Amino acid sequence: DQQVKQNSPSLSVQEGRISILNCDYTNSMFDYFLWYKKYPAEGPTFLISISSIKDKNEDGRFTVFLNKSAKHLSLHIVPSQPGDSAVYFCAAPDTSGTYKYIFGTGTRLKVLA
Amino acid sequence: DAGVTQSPTHLIKTRGQQVTLRCSPISGHKSVSWYQQVLGQGPQFIFQYYEKEERGRGNFPDRFSARQFPNYSSELNVNALLLGDSALYLCASSLRHRGETQYFGPGTRLLVL
Repeated sequence: DQQVKQNSPSLSVQEGRISILNCDYTNSMFDYFLWYKKYPAEGPTFLISISSIKDKNEDGRFTVFLNKSAKHLSLHIVPSQPGDSAVYFCAAPDTSGTYKYIFGTGTRLKVLA
Repeated sequence: DAGVTQSPTHLIKTRGQQVTLRCSPISGHKSVSWYQQVLGQGPQFIFQYYEKEERGRGNFPDRFSARQFPNYSSELNVNALLLGDSALYLCASSLRHRGETQYFGPGTRLLVL
């Protein structure tokens, strides 16, 4: 049962334009969400998070939007830069017992110069 | 400040062998979690330790075991290796086992032949 889903395995965007990465979840008990960026041969790097009491969180070029009614969150990167090319994972801490993170399958972003 | 460190970075083993992977958390972090990532998937939770006690276990066979030491470093052991154990093994540390962001190390890439 995939509780966190990223349905787009890849995305290509021109440098300077907006990148929008999407994530859907099925468990309405999730109350916190995170985005990680992963370069090849490196571990995931924490990017930005959002609590379920908010619908938006910004950090520089990165903004995460949360739509609880739709069980959907998105990561916006504006403007996109070639160095943003990486795999992006959304994750949510499990609320039933352990605080393990449940990850989506990732979206590979390629920013074209 | 040093981030999460893992050793070794790469490892090649043959089926049936045993492997030990090591992780040192960020200074001050008392919780360590282990994840397995196979190609095309998000990280899957294996174990979480906090204050040297197991706080969670994922859906992995008993061939997988772990422990945490008094200095909060951790080891993941896998016995009787199978080809399907080939993956990137990630260690993440956090201040506590709940409610805190997990920060990942670079991972150990294990290849089982």
